[in-house]
Amino acid sequence: ETGVTQTPRHLVMGMTNKKSLKCEQHLGHNAMYWYKQSAKKPLELMFVYNFKEQTENNSVPSRFSPECPNSSHLFLHLHTLQPEDSALYLCASSQGDSLSNQPQHFGDGTRLSIL
Amino acid sequence: AQTVTQSQPEMSVQEAETVTLSCTYDTSESDYYLFWYKQPPSRQMILVIRQEAYKQQNATENRFSVNFQKAAKSFSLKISDSQLGDAAMYFCAYRRTGTASKLTFGTGTRLQVTL
Repeated sequence: ETGVTQTPRHLVMGMTNKKSLKCEQHLGHNAMYWYKQSAKKPLELMFVYNFKEQTENNSVPSRFSPECPNSSHLFLHLHTLQPEDSALYLCASSQGDSLSNQPQHFGDGTRLSIL
Repeated sequence: AQTVTQSQPEMSVQEAETVTLSCTYDTSESDYYLFWYKQPPSRQMILVIRQEAYKQQNATENRFSVNFQKAAKSFSLKISDSQLGDAAMYFCAYRRTGTASKLTFGTGTRLQVTL
């Protein structure tokens, strides 16, 4: 069983829809992350949360809105997306700043397709 | 800004043979961490091995070892006795110390293992 669970695994939506991606970690970690993985491009960090506080927004368009209600849950709310937003969205967690050599544990990802 | 370069988009190795995946990075920091992650098809990212920059000794994890050349900013991964289950995308990643654990990834190398 993976320590980081993402739902849904696949999502197809139109450009005017509103949907949310969910991530849950069962590892007791303090930091959670959203990444975007597009074909033939490096993984792109989108957002970082430490102890529920957003510590990094990597110039992500406002049509992506993260939410971190507690250290175990992370959401990515999607609204009015564009076709170029189609990608694999990966969630990860780690022990956080003080032990920054600790690895990030990744979920299986949500494959998002924008029609 | 830190960058990570993986110059081999694809590699192939025969089962039981040894293969080396290359990675170079650019940073002005003296203390940082380096990682290799494995992403099997349609599955989550898995940490393979990590190296602290202040350690001169190369990290080793069973059949996986690294050749860390700090002056050259090189961090290659050697897989010995390759197995079919090693087939995956391999990502090299860099992280500074004392930050919100932001990982910078390379574009990845797809490894095929043949019989």
